Amino acid sequence: QVRLVESGGGVVQPGRSLTLSCAAYGFSFSASGMHWVRQAPGKGLEWVAVIWNDGSNRYYEDSVKGRFTISRDNSKNRLYLQMNSLRAEDTAVYYCARGDDFFDLWGQGTLVTVSS
Amino acid sequence: DVVMTQSPLSLPVTLGQPASISCRSSQSLVHSDGNTYLNWFQQRPGQSPRRLISYVSNRDSGVPDRFSGSGSGTDFTLKISRVEAEDVGVYYCMQGTHWPPITFGQGTRLEIK
Repeated sequence: QVRLVESGGGVVQPGRSLTLSCAAYGFSFSASGMHWVRQAPGKGLEWVAVIWNDGSNRYYEDSVKGRFTISRDNSKNRLYLQMNSLRAEDTAVYYCARGDDFFDLWGQGTLVTVSS
Repeated sequence: DVVMTQSPLSLPVTLGQPASISCRSSQSLVHSDGNTYLNWFQQRPGQSPRRLISYVSNRDSGVPDRFSGSGSGTDFTLKISRVEAEDVGVYYCMQGTHWPPITFGQGTRLEIK
């Protein structure tokens, strides 16, 4: 079954780090660019980062640049988002999404809450 | 960054009646490759977003044909010919022509009157 499954969310204090993971099933993960998109509680969708299928390029939304790192392991069909120096405004549900023609497949999301 | 502006932000509709959502971009979404990267997404309550339409008007597999997309340049529309109860949720437009960053509209909340 073609699907994406995120994990790794939780409650974290401001300034601390957290790493999210996204497992891909049922499709050729290594052929697809992958994105992270987030949604703050009660708010709209915000694109966070992208990584090319072979990991050769990565781009970030300005507010996370220098703090977040997107990476992937094609041998494990896994996508990651390492989040450092977390802020209250990073509180959101984080979705991984397949990049083929922009977001044709989404995971169920994982909630990250940044709070003291 | 390209700003995507949706209207209305709230859309009460009677079951069986049509609905229309507008999306305007701050610059043309025609890419140098000739494509227009304008997508529409539906997010039902408590669910992940789901892509409905790509490239302005191409419906995704499994999307009912009562959903249609149209437009060009900077003006785009999502239409539902006859609203059903399962259509309740928030609808987003998204542009992938001028990125990074990929940008979304604010969302339009469709509810049943």
